[in-house]
Amino acid sequence: QSALTQPASVSGSPGQSITISCTGTSSDVGGYNYVSWYQQHPGKAPKLMIYEVSNRPSGVSNRFSGSKSGNTASLTISGLQAEDEADYSCSSYTSSSTVVFGGGTKLTVL
Amino acid sequence: EVQLVESGGGLVQPGGSLRLSCEASGFTFSSYWMHWVRQAPGKGLVWVSCINSDGSSTSYADSVKGRFTISRDNAKKTLYLQMNSLRAEDTAVYYCARGFSGSDPWGQGTLVTVSS
Repeated sequence: QSALTQPASVSGSPGQSITISCTGTSSDVGGYNYVSWYQQHPGKAPKLMIYEVSNRPSGVSNRFSGSKSGNTASLTISGLQAEDEADYSCSSYTSSSTVVFGGGTKLTVL
Repeated sequence: EVQLVESGGGLVQPGGSLRLSCEASGFTFSSYWMHWVRQAPGKGLVWVSCINSDGSSTSYADSVKGRFTISRDNAKKTLYLQMNSLRAEDTAVYYCARGFSGSDPWGQGTLVTVSS
């Protein structure tokens, strides 16, 4: 049950686009379309931003989008806003019928 | 309003036990898979366990298998996590979360501190 691999940090200026990667294996990210992305502000509970690779829950801005290629999933945030500054974590269902998270990525809006 | 409220956290000595609860409201609890996820101070999210809607199927992370037990009471709309043989490395905020393919919402979390 090794954690999915995410960059520790990414940054961008307001209005720009950024992409956060989430790399796993064929036993998790690559094998299932059950990849989710969560946003977490300091001291707050995580919030679901993307589910099943590319679906947005009701109420989540369409500036957030998800995709997957092989064993790597990606979260793209377009039109960066100050309020997007937060930690972002990916998760995936696995072949062991468990769930695995990434280590998290801190997004800084410059 | 869909809501999850955890309780039961606290300070416990190594080797001790705690039972966490997660009370659900605003939705049909018995229709959803439920998860426990933890987050050590300053660290990332770590999945702990999940249970299917009727409680007949459970799954655990290797790090807690044999020590933790997840269960639910659909009549009481409550999810539980029985934690035994607690270790210092179990210190974390424990969140419950609803749903299988993308968890939403999450509770506010309850802090478990394992220390002598």
